[in-house]
Amino acid sequence: GAVVSQHPSWVICKSGTSVKIECRSLDFQATTMFWYRQFPKQSLMLMATSNEGSKATYEQGVEKDKFLINHASLTLSTLTVTSAHPEDSSFYICSARVGFGVGLAVEAFFGQGTRLTVV
Amino acid sequence: QKEVEQDPGPLSVPEGAIVSLNCTYSNSAFQYFMWYRQYSRKGPELLMYTYSSGNKEDGRFTAQVDKSSKYISLFIRDSQPSDSATYLCAMGGNNRLAFGKGNQVVVIP
Repeated sequence: GAVVSQHPSWVICKSGTSVKIECRSLDFQATTMFWYRQFPKQSLMLMATSNEGSKATYEQGVEKDKFLINHASLTLSTLTVTSAHPEDSSFYICSARVGFGVGLAVEAFFGQGTRLTVV
Repeated sequence: QKEVEQDPGPLSVPEGAIVSLNCTYSNSAFQYFMWYRQYSRKGPELLMYTYSSGNKEDGRFTAQVDKSSKYISLFIRDSQPSDSATYLCAMGGNNRLAFGKGNQVVVIP
C-alpha cells in the first residue's frame, strides 16, 4: 500500500515555542492530506484538511492561527504548532487521500504519528 | 446520539479465542466501512474495508456490515498476542470520514 511518512515521531518542546511536523507521501502524490489529533483512549479528531496549493480547511473549534498548515507540494504537508502550551500536548497524525469514489477507501493511509509534549 | 458508537473496552481474550468487535452508526450517508488497527504510539493501519452489506474475509479477519441495522463488526479468529492493539472502526461517505473511539484488545498468551 501507499506509504505516508511523518516526522518527527516524538518531540518535546518548551512552552511558548513552535514545533513543525512534516507529513510526506513517499510513493504517490497527495493533493489532499488530513491532520488529526488523538488524546489517550480517544478517537481521531479531524483538525484540518490540507489542500496542495491552497489554504487549509479547518474544523470548527480549531484555531487556524495556532495550527498552521502548509501544503506546498504534492508530497509534503506541514503542521506547525505555534506558541505551544502544555494543553497542546497530544498525538498528531496525518493521513493522505489515495483514492475516492465507489468501492475505494478514502484516507486509507496514515503517518506514524507524532507525540508532542510541551513542558 | 454520536455519529459512530464504539465501546472502548478494553477487551481481554486468551490466545486462540475469537475476538468480536462492533460499531453502530447513525448517518445513513455512510457508504463504505473500514477497520483500522493501531498499535501503541503508532498511526492507524487499514485492516479491511467494505462497501456493501455482508461479510468480507481476509485471512483470520472477517468484516461484517449490516446497513439496515447500521451495525458493523470485525471478527478475529485464532487470535494471537500480536493482535493486541486498538481497533478503530471508520465510516465514510460524502467526502467525510468518521471514526469510532477505538476498542483496545489484549490477547493473553
